[in-house]
Amino acid sequence: GAGVSQTPSNKVTEKGKYVELRCDPISGHTALYWYRQSLGQGPEFLIYFQGTGAADDSGLPNDRFFAVRPEGSVSTLKIQRTERGDSAVYLCASSPLSQNEQFFGPGTRLTVL
Amino acid sequence: AQRVTQPEKLLSVFKGAPVELKCNYSYSGSPELFWYVQYSRQRLQLLLRHISRESIKGFTADLNKGETSFHLKKPFAQEEDSAMYYCALHSGNTPLVFGKGTRLSVIA
Repeated sequence: GAGVSQTPSNKVTEKGKYVELRCDPISGHTALYWYRQSLGQGPEFLIYFQGTGAADDSGLPNDRFFAVRPEGSVSTLKIQRTERGDSAVYLCASSPLSQNEQFFGPGTRLTVL
Repeated sequence: AQRVTQPEKLLSVFKGAPVELKCNYSYSGSPELFWYVQYSRQRLQLLLRHISRESIKGFTADLNKGETSFHLKKPFAQEEDSAMYYCALHSGNTPLVFGKGTRLSVIA
């Protein structure tokens, strides 16, 4: 079956622009996670959805970052007024139950010029 | 605060040699520990978790609460083991906390 997919695979944008990153979880997985991975670092938690609601958004660095999952499946991570420091690989993961094994997508590499 | 420490950024071993990837954590409760692996050009995937106590691809890891460690071991390294390895911790309703990772390079 299909795994977690993320689009686009690469995104280059200019400082100050708005970007949206999409995640398609494995069908039937209720939990969805977003992580950010900077060069030389492990994945850092951003936000976690259980169904449609954000169960934990404590990892979002500031109010420029926002994520939605309106129908409990696809999720979009939105970044406003991008900054060069936002450049990273953004990973999405899903799991069938909260905090069980997480299945990761391939990531979106965001570059802010 | 929860923290996972992987002291080695890079570990190089010869094929057939034993491997130990170190992981230490800080957490006062009863955590669940994981090892995730990322092979070249592949996505991050779960290798093993301490509660399952199983050996995956010849790798094992034992949770040592006294030393707050969860080192990953394999008696005989293979070239296909070359990858990035991340130790991660979870407890209760907290999200996964990852270490910075160790790149394992197995030399033929």
